Amino acid sequence: EAGVVQSPRYKIIEKKQPVAFWCNPISGHNTLYWYRQNLGQGPELLIRYENEEAVDDSQLPKDRFSAERLKGVDSTLKIQPAELGDSAVYLCASSPWTGHSYEQYFGPGTRLTVT
Amino acid sequence: DAKTTQPNSMESNEEEPVHLPCNHSTISGTDYIHWYRQLPSQGPEYVIHGLTSNVNNRMASLAIAEDRKSSTLILHRATLRDAAVYYCILPVADSNYQLIWGAGTKLIIKP
Repeated sequence: EAGVVQSPRYKIIEKKQPVAFWCNPISGHNTLYWYRQNLGQGPELLIRYENEEAVDDSQLPKDRFSAERLKGVDSTLKIQPAELGDSAVYLCASSPWTGHSYEQYFGPGTRLTVT
Repeated sequence: DAKTTQPNSMESNEEEPVHLPCNHSTISGTDYIHWYRQLPSQGPEYVIHGLTSNVNNRMASLAIAEDRKSSTLILHRATLRDAAVYYCILPVADSNYQLIWGAGTKLIIKP
């Protein structure tokens, strides 16, 4: 079974530039998450999708971050414009809806460096 | 929201059992305890979760205290590939998906 796929793996941009991250979840997984992970810390949830609907985006900085999940499969997370503080690893995860079994499957992440 | 406390790091010898502790004194009665691990340069990986009873799977065992204020992840025979950061996680109150991640325990395996 293929895992969660993310691209690119690494991205270096200058501040004020836009950047986009792509995620392809595990086939059949209805739920998709985007997380941000700073160095030495655990992941922080940015947004959660159930199929194509963003059901929790309360942690997403909406002034510069946006996300979409067209057709309830692939998802894109965008930052525009990027700031120095956005340097982090951006993780995508997916899970099947299995009631109280909250097992989440993570991709390898995209390491963003803003200079 | 409930939070967890874990040691920053632990060391263990290869092929020996490892007991990773976690304190969660403010856990509510319906909170599941989750464990994930993160190998270097990879995304987190699910390990195990449980509510009240001890749980076993192919990766590890989870021992939950009777009062549920602490738990222990047990790796029965650690290998070098088990070197990772191990996260003990509780969900946000009234949530069945949003997990509160701390800094975890960095497990170092000595050959």
